[in-house]
Amino acid sequence: LAKTTQPISMDSYEGQEVNITCSHNNIATNDYITWYQQFPSQGPRFIIQGYKTKVTNEVASLFIPADRKSSTLSLPRVSLSDTAVYYCLVGDSRGSSASKIIFGSGTRLSIRP
Amino acid sequence: GAGVSQSPSNKVTEKGKDVELRCDPISGHTALYWYRQSLGQGLEFLIYFQGNSAPDKSGLPSDRFSAERTGGSVSTLTIQRTQQEDSAVYLCASSTTGLALRRSADTQYFGPGTRLTVL
Repeated sequence: LAKTTQPISMDSYEGQEVNITCSHNNIATNDYITWYQQFPSQGPRFIIQGYKTKVTNEVASLFIPADRKSSTLSLPRVSLSDTAVYYCLVGDSRGSSASKIIFGSGTRLSIRP
Repeated sequence: GAGVSQSPSNKVTEKGKDVELRCDPISGHTALYWYRQSLGQGLEFLIYFQGNSAPDKSGLPSDRFSAERTGGSVSTLTIQRTQQEDSAVYLCASSTTGLALRRSADTQYFGPGTRLTVL
């Protein structure tokens, strides 16, 4: 099971771009990288997932270098409502031998006015 | 469609009592996870069910904790002889995995959680 390392906390201001990097040195060939967001008193929710290079959706972008040993979640023009905990997960649940994917401690992002 | 539901939403119990927490996953989801989250902390994995396979219980903190999943759907997490350190939010998540997802790994859908307080 690939272990992930993220910063414990980050601060930024409204309107800024925020980049959160996750290290996963032991990522396996079949592993995907998934990011979740958790607001207080709620369960985590899916943000974005990728395997390599760059993935973009309406919420965020995910940058994955060629060696895939790290990934960066990019949140454009953050607002106060982006204050949350962000989790990076690495794993592969495809196929009949699917294994669990585990959450780490996450990055607590605080956005200031 | 309906998401993951959990009941009760809040549970207050006395030390030493047994509690049962219920999770109704999204229909058709083969995988089910239980997590525990203490105040201000990350998610602590407890147990994982995948289809008809034997559950992965590697995260259960003690033998006071057990879980079952009947008919591959509803799951119950049981905590016997509760202790004050068991106080936390217990989250359940379900996902669909398997050969249908050939291009990506599963996405976990979380329930609202059960807040357990042991007095």
